[in-house]
Amino acid sequence: AQKITQTQPGMFVQEKEAVTLDCTYDTSDQSYGLFWYKQPSSGEMIFLIYQGSYDEQNATEGRYSLNFQKARKSANLVISASQLGDSAMYFCAMREGRGYGGSQGNLIFGKGTKLSVKP
Amino acid sequence: DSGVTQTPKHLITATGQRVTLRCSPRSGDLSVYWYQQSLDQGLQFLIQYYNGEERAKGNILERFSAQQFPDLHSELNLSSLELGDSALYFCASSVEGTASSTDTQYFGPGTRLTVL
Repeated sequence: AQKITQTQPGMFVQEKEAVTLDCTYDTSDQSYGLFWYKQPSSGEMIFLIYQGSYDEQNATEGRYSLNFQKARKSANLVISASQLGDSAMYFCAMREGRGYGGSQGNLIFGKGTKLSVKP
Repeated sequence: DSGVTQTPKHLITATGQRVTLRCSPRSGDLSVYWYQQSLDQGLQFLIQYYNGEERAKGNILERFSAQQFPDLHSELNLSSLELGDSALYFCASSVEGTASSTDTQYFGPGTRLTVL
């Protein structure tokens, strides 16, 4: 079963406007972490923002914020004041918590959303 | 710049060959992860090492192996290469490598492998 779902293969946004990229996840764990990464056309994976399952407030990092709705199992990325340099693939990822002993820290990725910012 | 380095950046080889990809984690990070990104499979976790020991395995083929050395750099060995192994291979590092912390993984620039 797909654990991370990004339903928008591609999106367009006008420069200086805000855009929301959707991400839903599936887990039975109580402890987990949600991440967003940006992959420009050059290929590198850039960490953007993190939200822990026990965090009561939505995470924010500059122009990036995470709209975390735990009951709905969604973790949407909001980019405010879009810039041309924001054009890239965006990946939502989850790390499930299995406790400290023998825990496994790998990320499970969604298929990504390609964001194009129009001038 | 994430602080994670990977060499080489590009690698072109033939089917049946063997290659080694190298990764140096960020200073202070003990955990190294390898991921494969391909068009059909997306981003998939291959294997994780923590302070020299294998911690977790994902969808890693038997033809692939990895190790982490005492200086914490890691190598991913791919052998008997097939056309389908063509992909972007990422190394990521984190401080602890556990799932119970706010342990962020930082990715290297990747090695693009093309098998002809």
